[in-house]
Amino acid sequence: DSGVTQTPKHLITATGQRVTLRCSPRSGDLSVYWYQQSLDQGLQFLIQYYNGEERAKGNILERFSAQQFPDLHSELNLSSLELGDSALYFCASSVTLAVNEQFFGPGTRLTVL
Amino acid sequence: GQQVMQIPQYQHVQEGEDFTTYCNSSTTLSNIQWYKQRPGGHPVFLIQLVKSGEVKKQKRLTFQFGEAKKNSSLHITATQTTDVGTYFCAVPMEYGNKLVFGAGTILRVKS
Repeated sequence: DSGVTQTPKHLITATGQRVTLRCSPRSGDLSVYWYQQSLDQGLQFLIQYYNGEERAKGNILERFSAQQFPDLHSELNLSSLELGDSALYFCASSVTLAVNEQFFGPGTRLTVL
Repeated sequence: GQQVMQIPQYQHVQEGEDFTTYCNSSTTLSNIQWYKQRPGGHPVFLIQLVKSGEVKKQKRLTFQFGEAKKNSSLHITATQTTDVGTYFCAVPMEYGNKLVFGAGTILRVKS
């Protein structure tokens, strides 16, 4: 158990819908990262938040957005969902802003039908 | 942009055989990390290498960082069925605070 929690574990929805994925980092970790893992694209970095502020962006689609709240939990919002958005979404956390050891949550498996 | 090539993509070994996965970068790296993801699980941090020529061991796992800090390897001696999973290397982006993951090497072990 990494100490990072993610909900829900599984999510099945239809194209065009909007979903919200939630992540709670390890106690004391200020950085939260979101990743998308699909069979053909591997593990792709989406976005990083540090202490409530966006600090780094990857190839995140405009239909996707995220935020980190004062209690440091984070939410990833995916809208106008397409079939290709079906993937595992991982949240990871680390203590600092710098790129060091990251602790991954169990992931949310999103299926878009 | 920062790219890291990881090979092989897939390896199937007999239990007791050795296994090695390699990561290569076109640019000099400040550090490299290794993660393991079990089937159905999430990536788990194994180690971070920082120094040129660094070699670190964790039981049957040996991690090396090249002298030029552009490549790294993970070697497992005498594989066991518990070693199955995907091994990823991850390197920091040239700018910013994010990691770029290699494509991963899937290890399967036949008992």
